[in-house]
Amino acid sequence: AQSVTQLGSHVSVSEGALVLLRCNYSSSVPPYLFWYVQYPNQGLQLLLKYTSAATLVKGINGFEAEFKKSETSFHLTKPSAHMSDAAEYFCAVKNYGGSQGNLIFGKGTKLSVKP
Amino acid sequence: GAGVSQSPRYKVTKRGQDVALRCDPISGHVSLYWYRQALGQGPEFLTYFNYEAQQDKSGLPNDRFSAERPEGSISTLTIQRTEQRDSAMYRCASSPGQGNEQYFGPGTRLTVT
Repeated sequence: AQSVTQLGSHVSVSEGALVLLRCNYSSSVPPYLFWYVQYPNQGLQLLLKYTSAATLVKGINGFEAEFKKSETSFHLTKPSAHMSDAAEYFCAVKNYGGSQGNLIFGKGTKLSVKP
Repeated sequence: GAGVSQSPRYKVTKRGQDVALRCDPISGHVSLYWYRQALGQGPEFLTYFNYEAQQDKSGLPNDRFSAERPEGSISTLTIQRTEQRDSAMYRCASSPGQGNEQYFGPGTRLTVT
């Protein structure tokens, strides 16, 4: 069975600082991994995805994530935070169990950006 | 083009009432998923359709919950005899196929009083 763990329910950074949101996964098969962002009163928006091609994945809004099999990690980073990055971020793994590819989500990390 | 839409966006109902939540997927998307998200948690899978066929309902918490997608497009999630513990955000997602990324709607916030 697959699972994801997001370390830190809240992360606060200053504008212009590095953003690092942590995600570790558990999977008995090569995983498909995703990061979604949720802005207030909006749906989940896909930031980026890893599907066993390049280990460094670039997404929208300057975010990127690196798949590290040895560490079972898929941390999300952005070199310089903007105020508009304040949102909740979810890491997810594709389920290869009974269902046809539903996503298994972490609990989310709320990012605050201080001016 | 238009994304996934859900209605109503907010629903307040009294305990014991039935509710129906609607999802209108992106046109042409074959796969449709329902998730439920409690406060402070990530979305949790409820059920999945491929065209009009309900392929997996293993995530539905009990038999008060049901879903349909009769013409392979719009889907309805119905909760009968609602209970306070059913209060949550209900999210719908669609996908061009089961192996592709999922596009989420804005969700329906259900509050059972």
